[in-house]
Amino acid sequence: NAGVMQNPRHLVRRRGQEARLRCSPMKGHSHVYWYRQLPEEGLKFMVYLQKENIIDESGMPKERFSAEFPKEGPSILRIQQVVRGDSAAYFCASSPGTGLVDGYTFGSGTRLTVV
Amino acid sequence: SQQGEEDPQALSIQEGENATMNCSYKTSINNLQWYRQNSGRGLVHLILIRSNEREKHSGRLRVTLDTSKKSSSLLITASRAADTASYFCATALSSGSARQLTFGSGTQLTVLP
Repeated sequence: NAGVMQNPRHLVRRRGQEARLRCSPMKGHSHVYWYRQLPEEGLKFMVYLQKENIIDESGMPKERFSAEFPKEGPSILRIQQVVRGDSAAYFCASSPGTGLVDGYTFGSGTRLTVV
Repeated sequence: SQQGEEDPQALSIQEGENATMNCSYKTSINNLQWYRQNSGRGLVHLILIRSNEREKHSGRLRVTLDTSKKSSSLLITASRAADTASYFCATALSSGSARQLTFGSGTQLTVLP
């Protein structure tokens, strides 16, 4: 079991470009969560998805950010027209169900740097 | 302070000593979880304690939860240099978006050999 796989590990984008971050959940997990971590801070919730559905996007900025979890393939977090303030580590977590029985499994993250 | 706030922010101890980290939160919770993060890496789940539990053990880890004080503590006994990492508590709320975790800012633990 390869765990939660995120790619790329590092991503550098110029201001105004688009960033696409991918997350493949653990085998058998149908729930995916995206978190953002700024330097020296804890993780901040962004969005919770199940297959083909966004369940809770209350932590995601209304503009430029979008997320999807298609029936086939990984979950994608998309940031359009990136700005320097988007530079952060983005972590994906997955769980088999509600995730309330046990902890979440996190990926190693994608570190986005906007130059 | 925000939900899930750790104390202290940084802790430095000698190998073999015990390390205690505290976490305070504000709202009613379904459960509280502790995670560990090595520098530049992802989070590793350590232990989950439910709101109706008071204490839980896992190896060298001991977690307590006091819902009346809205606080939790993580004790690492007989620490090792490899325990050096950031430790985060995260709360899952008892209502609403129960699957959403709210993280604190973490405690940076350094264990000196």
